[in-house]
Amino acid sequence: KQEVTQIPAALSVPEGENLVLNCSFTDSAIYNLQWFRQDPGKGLTSLLLIQSSQREQTSGRLNASLDKSSGRSTLYIAASQPGDSATYLCAVNDYKLSFGAGTTVTVRA
Amino acid sequence: IAGITQAPTSQILAAGRRMTLRCTQDMRHNAMYWYRQDLGLGLRLIHYSNTAGTTGKGEVPDGYSVSRANTDDFPLTLASAVPSQTSVYFCASSDSTSGTPDTQYFGPGTRLTVL
Repeated sequence: KQEVTQIPAALSVPEGENLVLNCSFTDSAIYNLQWFRQDPGKGLTSLLLIQSSQREQTSGRLNASLDKSSGRSTLYIAASQPGDSATYLCAVNDYKLSFGAGTTVTVRA
Repeated sequence: IAGITQAPTSQILAAGRRMTLRCTQDMRHNAMYWYRQDLGLGLRLIHYSNTAGTTGKGEVPDGYSVSRANTDDFPLTLASAVPSQTSVYFCASSDSTSGTPDTQYFGPGTRLTVL
């Protein structure tokens, strides 16, 4: 059974600092890994999908890396803004998503 | 394009009552999913459907049933609700016709309280 872990559970940074969010998984036989953002009381918004054959995927200020052999993915958010405050979830896809518990980010103005 | 719609937005239900949560997508995705999200437990898969006419069980299927009569709709039914089914329910869809699962898109969720 796939186990997905996200550390830290919560993170508070001043505006402008770069964010580094970590995700680890136990079974490397995956199709892809997806990063989501969830605002309080809202649904999930897909941020990035990184295929198992890729090492990196970028979208604007967001960059996700994937090291399948070590079972790790990292989401980098450059120059954080208060609007980046949310919970970030990673999910490993082996035809069904297995989610981590999330990292709750607070960006202080 | 609406994406995925879910109804109702929220509901308070007496234990023992039957309830159907509705989910409709307009992206013509072949695969659809139901998850529940609980504090401390994260998101867990209840049921899924890889294509119209087929369904499968996820991690926590007990007490729930689904049907997939067509591509667009994927209702989730609680036959006899119990308080432990109090949760936020999310429907999702993806296009996996290429053989590789693609991005999953989520609906806004239904907040269900069973008393």
